[in-house]
Amino acid sequence: AQTVTQSQPEMSVQEAETVTLSCTYDTSESDYYLFWYKQPPSRQMILVIRQEAYKQQNATENRFSVNFQKAAKSFSLKISDSQLGDAAMYFCAYMKTSYDKVIFGPGTSLSVIP
Amino acid sequence: DTAVSQTPKYLVTQMGNDKSIKCEQNLGHDTMYWYKQDSKKFLKIMFSYNNKELIINETVPNRFSPKSPDKAHLNLHINSLELGDSAVYFCASSQGQGGETQYFGPGTRLLVL
Repeated sequence: AQTVTQSQPEMSVQEAETVTLSCTYDTSESDYYLFWYKQPPSRQMILVIRQEAYKQQNATENRFSVNFQKAAKSFSLKISDSQLGDAAMYFCAYMKTSYDKVIFGPGTSLSVIP
Repeated sequence: DTAVSQTPKYLVTQMGNDKSIKCEQNLGHDTMYWYKQDSKKFLKIMFSYNNKELIINETVPNRFSPKSPDKAHLNLHINSLELGDSAVYFCASSQGQGGETQYFGPGTRLLVL
């Protein structure tokens, strides 16, 4: 069965600094999708970034980028120039292929220190 | 314009009651989902519907029954509520299920007393 692990329950970063959140997953599939979702205190789930496993290029979205290491089954999220609004719970997620469920990791709570 | 909406946002009820949570999406998506987020923030899928047909049914007590009257709506009915049902329930939708982004509703916080 597929699993998603986030080994850092809590992280903190100084405003304007860079932080990396870790995620590893277990799968025997070669084709799948990976996501990072953000859940601020408002509890709204917001997609941060999406990666297709068959693409070697790491996805980026403004200050957010990933380091996708397929062989190592690792999918870390880097947040550059951290802002106070980045404080949230971050969930790594995996999805196999069509008509399958998304599996979420346990989350990492990120605090941003002014 | 709210893309995925849920009602109610908060629900406090007694054990043994029956309650429903409604979800509507105006994105024209084919697929809708229900997730449960427990007190430790762990998020797990419960059900998935594609064009009103049940696609995913995780190991959920049969007290939980989803209903999709059309592809824009997916409601969740819960019978005989138990203390352990207290959680935040999220509805989500996506265009298909080929790895497309899921758009989440604001969540419904259910508290069973």
